[in-house]
Amino acid sequence: QVQLQQSGPGLVKPSQTLSLTCAISGDSVSDNSATWNWIRQSPSRGLEWLGRTYFRSKWFNDYSVSVNGRISINPDTSKNQFSLQLHSVTPEDTAVYYCAREIAWTSAFDYWGQGTLVTVSS
Amino acid sequence: DIVMSQSPDSLVVSLGERATINCRSSQSVLACSNNKRSNCKNYLAWYQQKPGQPPKLLIYWASTRKSGVPDRFSGSGSGTDFTLTISSLQAEDVAVYYCQQYSDTPQTFGQGTKVELK
Repeated sequence: QVQLQQSGPGLVKPSQTLSLTCAISGDSVSDNSATWNWIRQSPSRGLEWLGRTYFRSKWFNDYSVSVNGRISINPDTSKNQFSLQLHSVTPEDTAVYYCAREIAWTSAFDYWGQGTLVTVSS
Repeated sequence: DIVMSQSPDSLVVSLGERATINCRSSQSVLACSNNKRSNCKNYLAWYQQKPGQPPKLLIYWASTRKSGVPDRFSGSGSGTDFTLTISSLQAEDVAVYYCQQYSDTPQTFGQGTKVELK
């Protein structure tokens, strides 16, 4: 059974960096059938895919243009986890952030983290 | 980006009655590999979300139920128009339902349909 456990602060000041980590159990961040994603949810923007990291002989990243230039998603193979960094945050980045796995045979998000409410406020 | 539109925004249904949720994509999410019709799939998923929980995958490839999902949930449609049907609504089905396309990046979601009990 795959489990994704999120960690990270729930309050970030404007202009600072939002950092979250997603620890994986039951699968490997290097699984070449999976991608590892960050998705956020807010009343104003709904469910919004932010980006992903995945391994296919080498590491790849894809990011949404809505946050491109501010986002970094990185795998950590030693800890079997991946992280999200979102720079220069504003109150509009306030949302519940989820990590999620996408696996090749469904190509949908079949496992999700528990979610982290991140509030951007001074 | 592919825009996903769901209707209705909310739905009130009696216990045991049918609930039908529609989803339309701004462009086709049907894709075929190796140029073979037999290898065509609709890159469309349905999720259920209850308060305080992450979305839960119900259906992928538009009509394939995830293991463990009750068979009262079914998905249909192709191209740009899709439907999620709950054949006999149970109390535990009260939730918000989302469609999602994964035909193109960025993957995008519908705005959600809230299902409530009458």
